[in-house]
Amino acid sequence: IQLTQSPSSLSASVGDRVTITCRASQGISSYLAWYQQKPGKAPKLLIYAASTLQSGVPSRFSGSGSGTDFTLTISSLQPEDFATYYCQQLNSYMYTFGQGTKLEIK
Amino acid sequence: QLQLQESGPGLVKPSETLSLTCTVSGGSISSSSYYWGWIRQPPGKGLEWIGSIYYSGSTYYNPSLKSRVTISVDTSKNQFSLKLSSVTAADTAVYYCAKIMATIERWFDPWGQGTLVTVSS
Repeated sequence: IQLTQSPSSLSASVGDRVTITCRASQGISSYLAWYQQKPGKAPKLLIYAASTLQSGVPSRFSGSGSGTDFTLTISSLQPEDFATYYCQQLNSYMYTFGQGTKLEIK
Repeated sequence: QLQLQESGPGLVKPSETLSLTCTVSGGSISSSSYYWGWIRQPPGKGLEWIGSIYYSGSTYYNPSLKSRVTISVDTSKNQFSLKLSSVTAADTAVYYCAKIMATIERWFDPWGQGTLVTVSS
């Protein structure tokens, strides 16, 4: 199963509402997670099971979707949110990641 | 809280075998609640799942790497390991280990800090 994220890159300003989309090549129910990665750091889990916020993650992050179409929304961008975001899915014990969305400061 | 730490050589010669170990602290690798995985990231590129293992020894590999990958677990040392044979420059990457929740919707958390492995003569 392939995951396609859009856009690949995005410029936005502090305070903006941002949405990143992840589309699966076939249905994956709610088996989707979102990660944030900053330069030189390991990815950090934000959302699992498509819409469940990981403990400690700010509530401005939210996830939605099921089947083939998923979204990650940041309701009001903060300076620390500028990073690369990846979606990830599981199917038949195999995991794949989206290609990433780089969120940059406008 | 549970933490993971990768260790191993940072430089491997072409055609040789890359060997890394992930040490788990703050929790037991023998827990039935988790799988354990390896993920890599070539410089400037995205994430690629390499493979996963359960404490019982059951393994799952990325088909694109399966012929060259072996993942094993040592419950006595609370470690799991990665071996990737016949490496080329294309295997140069940051290698991460991570815990995977053994629920129906699986995810990677936490991750180790990662270790850069360069394949070069």
